[in-house]
Amino acid sequence: TQLLEQSPQFLSIQEGENLTVYCNSSSVFSSLQWYRQEPGEGPVLLVTVVTGGEVKKLKRLTFQFGDARKDSSLHITAAQPGDTGLYLCAGKRNNNDMRFGAGTRLTVKP
Amino acid sequence: ETGVTQTPRHLVMGMTNKKSLKCEQHLGHNAMYWYKQSAKKPLELMFVYSLEERVENNSVPSRFSPECPNSSHLFLHLHTLQPEDSALYLCASSQGVAGGFTDTQYFGPGTRLTVL
Repeated sequence: TQLLEQSPQFLSIQEGENLTVYCNSSSVFSSLQWYRQEPGEGPVLLVTVVTGGEVKKLKRLTFQFGDARKDSSLHITAAQPGDTGLYLCAGKRNNNDMRFGAGTRLTVKP
Repeated sequence: ETGVTQTPRHLVMGMTNKKSLKCEQHLGHNAMYWYKQSAKKPLELMFVYSLEERVENNSVPSRFSPECPNSSHLFLHLHTLQPEDSALYLCASSQGVAGGFTDTQYFGPGTRLTVL
């Protein structure tokens, strides 16, 4: 069992649709990050959330950290083909142990 | 060159070969990392170096041997690998060791390794 479970594993949608992907755990995290990884590239940091219940917006992307700091979601409004990629969450526990989820692979079709 | 670079981008090797992966960061960072990314699995942290000293080694088999000659360069020496070691090997760097999440990790593009 993975420490961070991401769902769905794969998601294929049409341009203009909205979507939400999830990152869940039974562990509490002091902070959580979301990354996007495009084919042939390394992950690029999108956001860091540190406070339970925190909501951060990055253009059409909305990130939420759960009140109990065990889970997080990423919502994309009006998805575009450029949003295609692997979305990874990574959580840091109080012992400075940082773990990644396996990712959600998103495909946005024109 | 900017950011974090990795060479080679692709590597095919036999189980008896010896090869090395190279990572270079042009960001003036003090910490560098090796990760393994396999299909459908989470990124696995392999090694962490801070100011050229290894600070973490997550039970990685001895057939993987890291080397950090200075704060800008990191190598991963490979010897007698197994087919299950085939994966994308990612290098990252950060200003400090990523114990603090304020230290953003910047990843290189990775080396796609195939072990025959």
